Amino acid sequence: AQSVTQPDIHITVSEGASLELRCNYSYGATPYLFWYVQSPGQGLQLLLKYFSGDTLVQGIKGFEAEFKRSQSSFNLRKPSVHWSDAAEYFCAVMNTGFQKLVFGTGTRLLVSP
Amino acid sequence: EAGVTQFPSHSVIEKGQTVTLRCDPISGHDNLYWYRRVMGKEIKFLLHFVKESKQDESGMPNNRFLAERTGGTYSTLKVQPAELEDSGVYFCASSPPGGRSYNEQFFGPGTRLTVL
Repeated sequence: AQSVTQPDIHITVSEGASLELRCNYSYGATPYLFWYVQSPGQGLQLLLKYFSGDTLVQGIKGFEAEFKRSQSSFNLRKPSVHWSDAAEYFCAVMNTGFQKLVFGTGTRLLVSP
Repeated sequence: EAGVTQFPSHSVIEKGQTVTLRCDPISGHDNLYWYRRVMGKEIKFLLHFVKESKQDESGMPNNRFLAERTGGTYSTLKVQPAELEDSGVYFCASSPPGGRSYNEQFFGPGTRLTVL
């Protein structure tokens, strides 16, 4: 069965520092890959997605993610974190040809001054 | 353009009672999904509608859960009778028909259900 692992439950980063959130997936083929963010009181917002092609994907709010097939990873990065980035981040995969997202358990990002 | 809306935002009920959650998808989105996040765990798929038809209901936990989408517009998810383990946040999402955006799902803010 498909699964998504986000090994870090909480991460604290200083404002202005760089960020990397880890995501590994288990699936026989290359699925579609997504990162969502949930800010307090808000719904999940799509940050970026990978379907095919260039393995470095640019998203909204200055985020990017790199798909590494050999490592079954899709890590999310941002060069300089802002206090408004404090939120919970979810990595998700979807089988090609299917419609259901499989999520990781989420990583809560705290930003310190 | 209005996003996906869900009602209510919070619901607190006692074990054994009935609760109905509502989701209004983005206008024109044929695909509608329900997901659930139990405290501390991952968000899990419940089911998928295409218009008024259930395309995939493999994630529905048991027959206490009933989802409907009459007329292919809004959807309701009824839990009857509610149990303690049903507590969590219920998310609704929608996506348009066709095209590369076919696989992009737009989420609502969720309904937080607490069963006491």
